[in-house]
Amino acid sequence: EAGVAQSPRYKIIEKRQSVAFWCNPISGHATLYWYQQILGQGPKLLIQFQNNGVVDDSQLPKDRFSAERLKGVDSTLKIQPAKLEDSAVYLCASSLYGDRVSSAFFGQGTRLTVV
Amino acid sequence: DAKTTQPNSMESNEEEPVHLPCNHSTISGTDYIHWYRQLPSQGPEYVIHGLTSNVNNRMASLAIAEDRKSSTLILHRATLRDAAVYYCILRNAGNNRKLIWGLGTSLAVNP
Repeated sequence: EAGVAQSPRYKIIEKRQSVAFWCNPISGHATLYWYQQILGQGPKLLIQFQNNGVVDDSQLPKDRFSAERLKGVDSTLKIQPAKLEDSAVYLCASSLYGDRVSSAFFGQGTRLTVV
Repeated sequence: DAKTTQPNSMESNEEEPVHLPCNHSTISGTDYIHWYRQLPSQGPEYVIHGLTSNVNNRMASLAIAEDRKSSTLILHRATLRDAAVYYCILRNAGNNRKLIWGLGTSLAVNP
């Protein structure tokens, strides 16, 4: 079974530039999550999709971050403009729909460095 | 959201058992206890989860206290590959199924 695919693996940008991350979840997984993990901390949920609808985006800085999940499959997370404090690993995860206790499967993440 | 408390770090020797504790005194009746681990430069990996009864799988065992206010992840024979950060997480089984992550326990395994 293929895992969660993310790209790019690494990205370095200057502050005030824009960046986009891509995620392809496990086939059949209706729930998709984007997390931000700052060095030395646990992951923080940014946004959760159920199919192509947003379930929770309460911790997404909406003035600069946006995310979409077209057709309920792939998803992109965008930052515009980036700030130094956005330097982190951005993790995408997916889980089965309808299974209330299923585990989430994570991609390897995209390491973003803002200079 | 219910929180978990874990030691910052632990150390073990290879091929010895490891008991990783987690306190979750404010757990609710609908919270499942999940454990994930994160190897260096990798995304988190699911280890095990449970609700009330102890659970076993090929990776580990999960011992849950009778009052559910604490749990212990047991690695029966630690290997060097088990060196990782282990996260104990409560997952709400309600509509949003949110995972709330803490800082985890960094496990070092000595050869």
